[in-house]
Amino acid sequence: EPEVTQTPSHQVTQMGQEVILRCVPISNHLYFYWYRQILGQKVEFLVSFYNNEISEKSEIFDDQFSVERPDGSNFTLKIRSTKLEDSAMYFCATRRASYNEQFFGPGTRLTVL
Amino acid sequence: GENVEQHPSTLSVQEGDSAVIKCTYSDSASNYFPWYKQELGKRPQLIIDIRSNVGEKKDQRIAVTLNKTAKHFSLHITETQPEDSAVYFCAATSFEGRLAFGKGNQVVVIP
Repeated sequence: EPEVTQTPSHQVTQMGQEVILRCVPISNHLYFYWYRQILGQKVEFLVSFYNNEISEKSEIFDDQFSVERPDGSNFTLKIRSTKLEDSAMYFCATRRASYNEQFFGPGTRLTVL
Repeated sequence: GENVEQHPSTLSVQEGDSAVIKCTYSDSASNYFPWYKQELGKRPQLIIDIRSNVGEKKDQRIAVTLNKTAKHFSLHITETQPEDSAVYFCAATSFEGRLAFGKGNQVVVIP
């Protein structure tokens, strides 16, 4: 069964550095999402993306964050200047058009030192 | 925006007993309510979902009920087994797809 994949599985970075998290959606899925989960807390919505545009973003998704689909397969989340509080598990999720079910990737654990 | 509350935060049950987790939501426009199971360090896995035009849905030992009037929905796990031990998240969304999650419920099944 196809699955959403994410790379890297774990990213360690210094505060102020830029990171790019990558996601490969399931092939016939058109709606893409990024969520994050701080250790021991609930999953929080960051941004949704459809037709090469941001559909919706949360208050967490400030100017330090950006998303893009650079090559028709990858879906990336960039954090320009990481902060300590960006340390979290970042999940990509995707879904098909006309279906509600979102399928989550395995996550990237981001540690900002 | 949508606000989802989930109770209780931790639930311990004896193997073979039933577990029930309850969630409430705030946005009457929400029409899709999935439940995810998350094992330690792993991705959330969809285990069952329900749409607002249905009151109850069952899949083997798992069932979900929805009360639109009261804006609450519940997950029922019967004949619990040790592998049911995990964190369970409820969520709600309108068709636009942004999932609003509850805080999660740690279920511990005691053998």
